[in-house]
Amino acid sequence: EVQLLESGGGLVQPGGSLRLSCAASGLTFSNYDMSWVRQAPGKGLEWVSAILNSGTTTYYTDSVKGRFTISRDNSKNTLYLQMNSLRGEDTALYYCAKGPSNGNFDYWGQGTLVTVSS
Amino acid sequence: QSVLTQPPSVSAAPGQKVTISCSGSSSNIGNNYVSWYQHLPGTAPKLLIYENNKRPSGIPDRFSGSKSGTSATLGITGLQTGDEADYYCGTWDNSLYAGVFGGGTKLTVL
Repeated sequence: EVQLLESGGGLVQPGGSLRLSCAASGLTFSNYDMSWVRQAPGKGLEWVSAILNSGTTTYYTDSVKGRFTISRDNSKNTLYLQMNSLRGEDTALYYCAKGPSNGNFDYWGQGTLVTVSS
Repeated sequence: QSVLTQPPSVSAAPGQKVTISCSGSSSNIGNNYVSWYQHLPGTAPKLLIYENNKRPSGIPDRFSGSKSGTSATLGITGLQTGDEADYYCGTWDNSLYAGVFGGGTKLTVL
């Protein structure tokens, strides 16, 4: 059974940093592209970033470019999201998701909450 | 403002059928597969439909998907109160080099 377990969320002041982690099990992690997707309070799902299985190519939504960095450690079956220069609008539940694979995300974690507030 | 456009809400009675539309463009839906997700806020989204019209194992055939041009549709028949949730379409956008979702549609089973 595929399991994705996020951690690292919390309360941070504007301008601060956090690093999210996603521990994957039940799959050959190095074979799959991975993503972060977030949901702000009262809003819909928003794709944030993706990384190809090899880790050599990354993609970001415009609002986080230059502030967030996605990475992975295939030896540890773990996905990361380094978030710097955090803003209030980054407050959201952050999900780790397997994919995109042909455009879809077939497994999701339960999410980790990031709150940016002074 | 989401790249993909969905109606904010739909409703129908138990046992009835409902459809949810998702409109995009040639850079996303027009040239890529569409997927659909069921989501209860605070929980993990669930993949309902992938590659336009395929159902993952365990998803009942009450759920169906279709795509035509730059639009896609999710159909749910035999509505149950347990189907009340938010539904999202999603795909990849070749111009943005980004994943994109619709704004979500809240389904109410009256």
